[in-house]
Amino acid sequence: AQRVTQPEKLLSVFKGAPVELKCNYSYSGSPELFWYVQYSRQRLQLLLRHISRESIKGFTADLNKGETSFHLKKPFAQEEDSAMYYCALKVSGNTPLVFGKGTRLSVIA
Amino acid sequence: ETGVTQSPTHLIKTRGQQVTLRCSSQSGHNTVSWYQQALGQGPQFIFQYYREEENGRGNFPPRFSGLQFPNYSSELNVNALELDDSALYLCASSPGRGVYTGELFFGEGSRLTVL
Repeated sequence: AQRVTQPEKLLSVFKGAPVELKCNYSYSGSPELFWYVQYSRQRLQLLLRHISRESIKGFTADLNKGETSFHLKKPFAQEEDSAMYYCALKVSGNTPLVFGKGTRLSVIA
Repeated sequence: ETGVTQSPTHLIKTRGQQVTLRCSSQSGHNTVSWYQQALGQGPQFIFQYYREEENGRGNFPPRFSGLQFPNYSSELNVNALELDDSALYLCASSPGRGVYTGELFFGEGSRLTVL
């Protein structure tokens, strides 16, 4: 079965420091990968998807099929980036999203 | 544009009881899916509804059932509640016409506590 692993439950960084939220997946085919974010007192929302290859709020993520990873990166963390981040996987065909357990990012002023 | 709304936001039940959770999809969205999020876990897919029929189901027992109405709103019903059913139940809608999509629009969830 497909699985998404986010190895860190909590990641604390100082404001202005680089951020990398790790995501690894288990799937041998060509997946679609997503990052969802939940800010305090807000609903879960899509942050970005790998097929868009775009930067959202300064965040980027590159799909590395060799390492089966989709790490989320930002060069300079801001306090408003503090949130819960979930990596999610969709495999080919008509199948639902599979979520990781999430990483809580805390940006310290 | 109205987002996904869920009710109730919180509820407490006892083991063996039944519960119904409700969801109104985002305007223009015809597909609704339900997820269970236990404490410290990511959302886990329960099932999806399109055109008032279930068109996909995760690894949940039959006592988890649902409905979708002509206006695309949906209900999640859980019978014979167990302690492990305590979780946040998330509804998500999409304009996907029954096709699974990675772009989901979530509600704020209904937090169920089973005592």
